[in-house]
Amino acid sequence: EVVLTQSPGTLSLSPGERATLSCRASQSVRSNFLAWYQQKPGQAPRLLIYGTSTRATGIPDRFSASGSGTDFTLTISRLEPEDFAVYYCQHYGGSPLTFGGGTKVEIK
Amino acid sequence: QVQLQESGPGLVKPSQTLSLTCSVSGGSVSTGPYYWSWIRQGPTRGLEWIGFIYHSGSTYYNPSLQSRVSMSVDTSQNQFSLRLNSVTAADTAVYYCARANRFSGTYYTPDYWGPGTLVTVSS
Repeated sequence: EVVLTQSPGTLSLSPGERATLSCRASQSVRSNFLAWYQQKPGQAPRLLIYGTSTRATGIPDRFSASGSGTDFTLTISRLEPEDFAVYYCQHYGGSPLTFGGGTKVEIK
Repeated sequence: QVQLQESGPGLVKPSQTLSLTCSVSGGSVSTGPYYWSWIRQGPTRGLEWIGFIYHSGSTYYNPSLQSRVSMSVDTSQNQFSLRLNSVTAADTAVYYCARANRFSGTYYTPDYWGPGTLVTVSS
């Protein structure tokens, strides 16, 4: 099982600032089958990124992601008020699919 | 746009069976290349993938739950279902159903999710 560790646990930033979120895998992620989700309170997770770096339908280009092997990054170039949420990375290159513990991006 | 909605009891007694149904609209469970998925989110384990089912009935389950879980699909009702037996308090969670998409490549990941339903295991 691929264990995903996200850091930091909480990121306190102001609107307009850049957010950089990290996800580290316990073993190399097959063919970069790594996704990122955003979750707001009381809502289901929303797919942001799949295949390590491809934005899902309707996701604004201020969201970008990169990485390979065991180290992955999600970047939000300029935080909008609606971007304050919890972000999860997820491995889907085999069974079981696993999720990281999340990074909360909160308003400073 | 596909929409999903979970339904089922919000309270289940320990040792009993949790049963949930996901109704799909705006799309068909019979249409490939999608799998249909259950994921749960509990207070201690966070997000946990439970399994996938294809319209043919082919399934993939999380090994940690495989001995207790079963999924089925009803193409006539455009629904799919989850059964988890011998539940304990550790199974208390918000349960989500989701469509899983292949995008490019071999593997599937959830893209559209239902709003989730809270299931509490308690006597």
